[in-house]
Amino acid sequence: GAGVSQSPRYKVAKRGQDVALRCDPISGHVSLFWYQQALGQGPEFLTYFQNEAQLDKSGLPSDRFFAERPEGSVSTLKIQRTQQEDSAVYLCASSLSPISNQPQHFGDGTRLSIL
Amino acid sequence: KNQVEQSPQSLIILEGKNCTLQCNYTVSPFSNLRWYKQDTGRGPVSLTIMTFSENTKSNGRYTATLDADTKQSSLHITASQLSDSASYICVVSAGTSGTYKYIFGTGTRLKVLA
Repeated sequence: GAGVSQSPRYKVAKRGQDVALRCDPISGHVSLFWYQQALGQGPEFLTYFQNEAQLDKSGLPSDRFFAERPEGSVSTLKIQRTQQEDSAVYLCASSLSPISNQPQHFGDGTRLSIL
Repeated sequence: KNQVEQSPQSLIILEGKNCTLQCNYTVSPFSNLRWYKQDTGRGPVSLTIMTFSENTKSNGRYTATLDADTKQSSLHITASQLSDSASYICVVSAGTSGTYKYIFGTGTRLKVLA
């Protein structure tokens, strides 16, 4: 497709369940970012991939969060043993290259609600 | 600590009026500054990207300014339209070649009324 695609758009899970969120970046984009956005706040950085390499995971809030991009295209963010504080919108963004002035293209996010 | 602060937190204006949103940052080393528009339930969309040497950049009715000395930026919206109702987020990129951090402000919520 022409843009970044995220699925599912909405996810409801019970506390303690595992969830997996998918991101399809724009074809050929080297850089891929995951962000967490709480209601009324700006996105907060979670992790960054350059191709298949996870170069920065300093924003992952706990070891329950895990991200991968095994073939350098599609990425999955997994959250294990979900907690209520994990409820947020999870945004994925891609950019053509790691050069600093490249625009980031965002998906519309996955809204995760933990009951 | 790298921070990006935006003001006002929210703003209501009448259709056709102009408005200016502010962004102050303490980010080092500075790489570039971006403004995004985020409609409710959608991902942010890039409006402008400015590097250290640029002090103004326009995108249609949107004009961004950057004062790297005072570490301030503004986004001016001219002749507002109902479709301008959204959150506007200022993002500063910090880092050197190959490794960047993007620090997001909390956004200004703009509501344009008919």
